Amino acid sequence: GAVVSQHPSRVICKSGTSVKIECRSLDFQATTMFWYRQFPKKSLMLMATSNEGSKATYEQGVEKDKFLINHASLTLSTLTVTSAHPEDSSFYICSASNPRGPNSNQPQHFGDGTRLSIL
Amino acid sequence: AQKITQTQPGMFVQEKEAVTLDCTYDTSDQSYGLFWYKQPSSGEMIFLIYQGSYDEQNATEGRYSLNFQKARKSANLVISASQLGDSAMYFCAMREGRTNAGKSTFGDGTTLTVKP
Repeated sequence: GAVVSQHPSRVICKSGTSVKIECRSLDFQATTMFWYRQFPKKSLMLMATSNEGSKATYEQGVEKDKFLINHASLTLSTLTVTSAHPEDSSFYICSASNPRGPNSNQPQHFGDGTRLSIL
Repeated sequence: AQKITQTQPGMFVQEKEAVTLDCTYDTSDQSYGLFWYKQPSSGEMIFLIYQGSYDEQNATEGRYSLNFQKARKSANLVISASQLGDSAMYFCAMREGRTNAGKSTFGDGTTLTVKP
């Protein structure tokens, strides 16, 4: 079964709305989670690294005030797209790795993604 | 900086045949992990196979095998006995370091279409 749960799976809303996406690790405590954005038929673009109990680390070119990340607990990270506009429409996907894996061959576990459509 | 290159935007294969998806990488780190993921049209990312930089044997997982050539910095995915359900986008990814907590870099992906 899924070890990372992401909700909602699909959002359609009006321009100017803020949208919150949740990413939960189900079977382990994730001190670090990652948020990606993906355009159709394109690669995953890392937006930010979500760190439990501290500020997120954003990749170059990603607006911190636009994409708010909160990692308030060891099992939950949220991404809020503030004042969303049509250009924010995309597929957003989160991932987490189990830090207690015995070695580095543990893959990232991905949520099922959120399709965001801003009208 | 890490870089993953997948030079095949799209590939076609006949059902039941084998196919190789190319991946080359660039890193200055000695410790790293290489991963392949499958992404069907529904969007979820499915982990397929892993190869560590110190692994001497090529990784295998069922019909998936990884042709790891460290000196050439390549980590090609081989899918044997292709099935219609293998049609999807495939991503090669690299994570530097020895822990599970590091971020990964993804290639641009290869869209595989299996023909009946």
